[in-house]
Amino acid sequence: GNSVTQMEGPVTLSEEAFLTINCTYTATGYPSLFWYVQYPGEGLQLLLKATKADDKGSNKGFEATYRKETTSFHLEKGSVQVSDSAVYFCALSDREAGKSTFGDGTTLTVKP
Amino acid sequence: EAGVTQSPTHLIKTRGQQATLRCSPISGHTSVYWYQQALGLGLQFLLWYDEGEERNRGNFPPRFSGRQFPNYSSELNVNALELEDSALYLCASSLEVFLGNQPQHFGDGTRLSIL
Repeated sequence: GNSVTQMEGPVTLSEEAFLTINCTYTATGYPSLFWYVQYPGEGLQLLLKATKADDKGSNKGFEATYRKETTSFHLEKGSVQVSDSAVYFCALSDREAGKSTFGDGTTLTVKP
Repeated sequence: EAGVTQSPTHLIKTRGQQATLRCSPISGHTSVYWYQQALGLGLQFLLWYDEGEERNRGNFPPRFSGRQFPNYSSELNVNALELEDSALYLCASSLEVFLGNQPQHFGDGTRLSIL
């Protein structure tokens, strides 16, 4: 079945540091890939998405590129802020199963 | 546009009781999903409803059940509660899945605590 493996956390960075959170996936067919963010006490929010190979999703300074050859969808941001502290989830959607498969989440803490 | 709403925000029960959690999807969304997020664990898929039918089910015992109503809102029922059922239960909705790979929109969850 489908699976998503993402970088274990927690990740602690200083403000303005460069962020990479690795995500790789296993899937049949052509899934869409997503990054969601969960702030404390809230549900998940869609951060960005990519629907086909070589697509780049971007939002709020975050970027991720759908790499079919390496089955990866790594999340990057050039300069993190304290307000980016949250849990980040990589996910793929499986139209046949009608559900998304999520990674275990990576907790990011950004210190001033 | 109102987002996905879940109620109650918090629910405290004792072992053996039954819990009912409710979810209202975004207007126009026909698919509703339920996930369990236990402390320190990722999201575990519970159930998917679309057009009133259960379309898929995760690896959970039968005491986890639910339904979707004609207005697309949904209920999750958990019978014979056990301590390990303590978790945040998240509901998500999306446009019809067969339109393509749709992102899911999440509510803020119901925190279920079993004493």
